[in-house]
Order: sequence, then structure tokens, then C-alpha cells
Amino acid sequence: NFMLTQPHSVSESPGKTVTISCTGSSGSIASNYVQWYQQRPGSAPTTVIYEDNQRPSGVPDRFSGSIDSSSNSASLTISGLKTEDEADYYCQSYDSSNSWVFGGGTKLTVL
Amino acid sequence: EVQLVESGGGLVQPGGSLRLSCAASGFTFSSYEMNWVRQAPGKGLEWVSYISSSGSTIYYADSVKGRFTISRDNAKNSLYLQMNSLRAEDTAVYYCARVYSGSYYADYWGQGTLVTVSS
Repeated sequence: NFMLTQPHSVSESPGKTVTISCTGSSGSIASNYVQWYQQRPGSAPTTVIYEDNQRPSGVPDRFSGSIDSSSNSASLTISGLKTEDEADYYCQSYDSSNSWVFGGGTKLTVL
Repeated sequence: EVQLVESGGGLVQPGGSLRLSCAASGFTFSSYEMNWVRQAPGKGLEWVSYISSSGSTIYYADSVKGRFTISRDNAKNSLYLQMNSLRAEDTAVYYCARVYSGSYYADYWGQGTLVTVSS
């Protein structure tokens, strides 16, 4: 089964840049689009990146997404970190049977 | 304004059944594919099931296949999840999520409804 692996947690200081990785278990992660969701405590997820590197309207350009085929990974980069960015972040893609697959989530701490 | 409002959650005994509903408003419900996604307490997101806009195509996660049934009523702008043979590991917040047209991601989520399976 296709799986997505994320680091359990990352931390960085306000104003800095952080990158969260999402590694595919098999095949090419570049074959299917990757999305990123932000989930603050007690709230539903919201989309910050879709189709690898697209930002929904209202999401600041401090958020960016990319794909690295050589490492079979997707990345979410957040620059100019703000305390409000502190949240859980999930990557999501889908497999050959059209089942959606989520990464395990990464807790971002901005300290 | 797009709104998705889940209901039907609650406490149920192992082996029991529950039917979740998701009331949609603010968009043409019949034009959109929908998903159910769940989140166990303190855990990550887990995809549960997908249904096409017409209801003709349905997919399930292996963990719920044969026990859960997704359906929709486009005339009532509603999405459903019938859950049978419930297990403790089905305890989670269940979200309905709209699929962005022509893509494979959820652009709107409901606030979720909690299902607790316990004796």
C-alpha cells in the first residue's frame, strides 16, 4: 500500500523559514498531485497548498509547495514564520485505486 | 458561502450502528464529489470513503469496507455515512469534505461529528 511519511514534529523561531517533508513509499510521488492541509487545535483542516504548488485564495505567499523526484518527496515551506502558523500539517495524495492517502502529520511549533 | 454541517455522531456500543449526515449549502451539491475523512482522538487524518457527484462511483478504505456505506441525496443536498458493526477503533471525529472540482483535494470541510464506540 502506498504511504506518505512525515516528520512527527518540527520547530523554528518567528521570522525564520521551515520546511516539512512528505516522502512517498513507492512509485513516483510526482505521478499524482500532493496537497497540504493545516489543522489548528480543535478546528477542521484547511488547504494551504493543492496540486503540488498551488495556493488557494487567501493563503499568504509565505506558503509554498514543491516536489523533489530524486528523493520521492514533497515539501511544504513556510517563510517568515508567525506564531499563528503553529499547527499540525498533513500532506495528502492518492493511489492507483483512487484511495486518498494522508501523511501522519507534522506538528509545527513556532517558538 | 459554502457550508458543510455534519450530524448524527454519538456514543454507540461495539457492534452497533450509526448513520452520519452532512448537510451542504452555498453551492450546487449535485455537481461535486464528496469524501468522508476521520480523525481518531490525538491521531492523524484517515480517508474513509468517496462518492462521485451522481453517486455512481464509490470507494472505501480497507478499514471500513463491508461495514460502512456512503450515499447521497442530491435533492436534499445531503451526504450520508451508514456505519455498521462498529468497533472501538472507529472512534473518531468524522468530517465530510467537498472535493475541488476536477482535482483530488478537499477544498471545504465540515466541523466534524464525534463518534465514540464504547461499552
